[in-house]
Amino acid sequence: SQQGEEDPQALSIQEGENATMNCSYKTSINNLQWYRQNSGRGLVHLILIRSNEREKHSGRLRVTLDTSKKSSSLLITASRAADTASYFCATAPYQNQGAQKLVFGQGTRLTINP
Amino acid sequence: KAGVTQTPRYLIKTRGQQVTLSCSPISGHRSVSWYQQTPGQGLQFLFEYFSETQRNKGNFPGRFSGRQFSNSRSEMNVSTLELGDSALYLCASSTRRGHWDTPQYFGPGTRLTVL
Repeated sequence: SQQGEEDPQALSIQEGENATMNCSYKTSINNLQWYRQNSGRGLVHLILIRSNEREKHSGRLRVTLDTSKKSSSLLITASRAADTASYFCATAPYQNQGAQKLVFGQGTRLTINP
Repeated sequence: KAGVTQTPRYLIKTRGQQVTLSCSPISGHRSVSWYQQTPGQGLQFLFEYFSETQRNKGNFPGRFSGRQFSNSRSEMNVSTLELGDSALYLCASSTRRGHWDTPQYFGPGTRLTVL
């Protein structure tokens, strides 16, 4: 079963607007990561936020983490056509160190219209 | 540094056959993980290798196996292919064992079609 669930499943906005995607997860985590995937290719790591962090920035990306609500959000500001991609959250459910694995959500398909 | 490379990029097989996929990690990365991506199930973890040993395994049947060589290159094998094995197989490397605090660097994937 999926640990993380993204919302919405699909998002279409105009270039220049901001895009917000949400991720909810079920169990306690060590950290949460966001990845981008362009059209059936490999994933690109965007940002990692640890369980003791509440907010993190990287360029036009802003990620928040609310461990009490078991949720995270990814904000992309001033969107560009090149941001068109699927975005996945991935969590590392807290277990014994030797049993860790990264669990991905189903992703949000973001389309930026020119 | 060169990124993660996967070969072949595309593969067409028939049911019952077996297939071997290859992954070369980023130089210096000792951890290699494999994932299966399908429209229905999404991204699912197959297994992780570190220092030539399988460290973690996902919930896949024994038809899925892998290995890692001393140069950290990894191969994944699927025997007795089924139609449901059609998927994008992604390899990822990282500097450390485990996934809990380390970004994963993904290759472009191998698109496997089973007819």
